[in-house]
Amino acid sequence: NAGVTQTPKFQVLKTGQSMTLQCAQDMNHNSMYWYRQDPGMGLRLIYYSASEGTTDKGEVPNGYNVSRLNKREFSLRLESAAPSQTSVYFCASSEAPQNTEAFFGQGTRLTVV
Amino acid sequence: ELKVEQNPLFLSMQEGKNYTIYCNYSTTSDRLYWYRQDPGKSLESLFVLLSNGAVKQEGRLMASLDTKARLSTLHITAAVHDLSATYFCAVSLNTNAGKSTFGDGTTLTVKP
Repeated sequence: NAGVTQTPKFQVLKTGQSMTLQCAQDMNHNSMYWYRQDPGMGLRLIYYSASEGTTDKGEVPNGYNVSRLNKREFSLRLESAAPSQTSVYFCASSEAPQNTEAFFGQGTRLTVV
Repeated sequence: ELKVEQNPLFLSMQEGKNYTIYCNYSTTSDRLYWYRQDPGKSLESLFVLLSNGAVKQEGRLMASLDTKARLSTLHITAAVHDLSATYFCAVSLNTNAGKSTFGDGTTLTVKP
């Protein structure tokens, strides 16, 4: 009963380092998303993938890249981390166009020092 | 640009009391979602509202949607401590539920 799985759960980076956040879902959903959540705020969409092979920018895409590796997996890459990217990152998936809700992973808490 | 506003942002209640959280949004939509988040945890879906006048209830929580007023409410009846959490509404302009704009959340604390 895994749902949406993210790795790692915690990460500390130095400014300028790169890393990839991994996300996999086992619900056969077409659509996947990456959000960031800053303290006291709601989630903001970074990138999304409506279906395998497609990706689109969300509200706050600068400094990030994504790859929809296959239907199950959607990764988020920080090429040169900055302190402003310190946040909690959530991956989610949903089955469009059935209008069901999105299902979220447990989150990755990233600190850039 | 779609904007979603929740109020209040913080709510402290006594057990047994009733209260309503409001979610206003700026662009016509008939797809609205309510999520719950416990501290340090992920988001859990509570309600999916997909039409004007939609009303859904689960336990002590009831959500409604008025698309003409661009307003959704989350009503809490006879609050209990277990309802303490942050509640988010999110609005989608298309069929991708995850491509949503979120409110800033309402942090609810229920005191004995």
